[in-house]
Amino acid sequence: DIQMTQSPSSLSASVGDRVTITCRASQGISTWLAWYQQKPGKAPKSLIYSASILKSGVPSRFSGSGSGTDFTLTISSLQPEDFATYYCQHYIDYPLIFGGGTKVEFK
Amino acid sequence: EVQLVESGGGLVQPGGSLRLSCAASGFSLSDHYMDWVRQAPGKGLEWVGRMRNKANSYTTEYAASVKGRFTISSDDSKNSLYLQMNSLKTEDTAVYYCARGQEALGPANFYGMDVWGQGTTVTVSS
Repeated sequence: DIQMTQSPSSLSASVGDRVTITCRASQGISTWLAWYQQKPGKAPKSLIYSASILKSGVPSRFSGSGSGTDFTLTISSLQPEDFATYYCQHYIDYPLIFGGGTKVEFK
Repeated sequence: EVQLVESGGGLVQPGGSLRLSCAASGFSLSDHYMDWVRQAPGKGLEWVGRMRNKANSYTTEYAASVKGRFTISSDDSKNSLYLQMNSLKTEDTAVYYCARGQEALGPANFYGMDVWGQGTTVTVSS
């Protein structure tokens, strides 16, 4: 199975900060990677697919990049509503695997 | 409005069974791949399984942790998806979500799990 490792597992940031989250696959997955945002007590929300394509309605401060094994999710200027946990997920093959999550907390 | 609503969660003893339902509205389940994803208390997301759409014969895939114990099915007439869970273990305790996936075969046609239900809680305990 392909494993997904996110780092850091948590980070503290302030409104306006630039935030970068890394996701590493245990083997190459081309650009078959999605990112999700989850707030406490809520279902996840789809942000990005194909590593870099923003879902409709997702603010442009979110961006994704990478291919192969190394990927990043960047929030260019953190907003209050962005404090949440973020997950990457590969979909090149089964089983689909999520990363362990990165919790973005208020500094 | 496009929506998924799960139901059927509850408290069950180890070794017991439970069937979760996921009712879709605003779209036809048969057109989409559908996933079950779970989240144990305080933990991350874990993919449970997938049912492909009618065009792909409703075939299924499962995570190793549930294969042989869980079965995904659907009822077109009720526009609903189901997760039959047998031989439940304490480690199956989680919030279970259904989520909508792609409409065609292959990763190039996957645009993220774009619609999620609110989740239903399953607790396996004696």
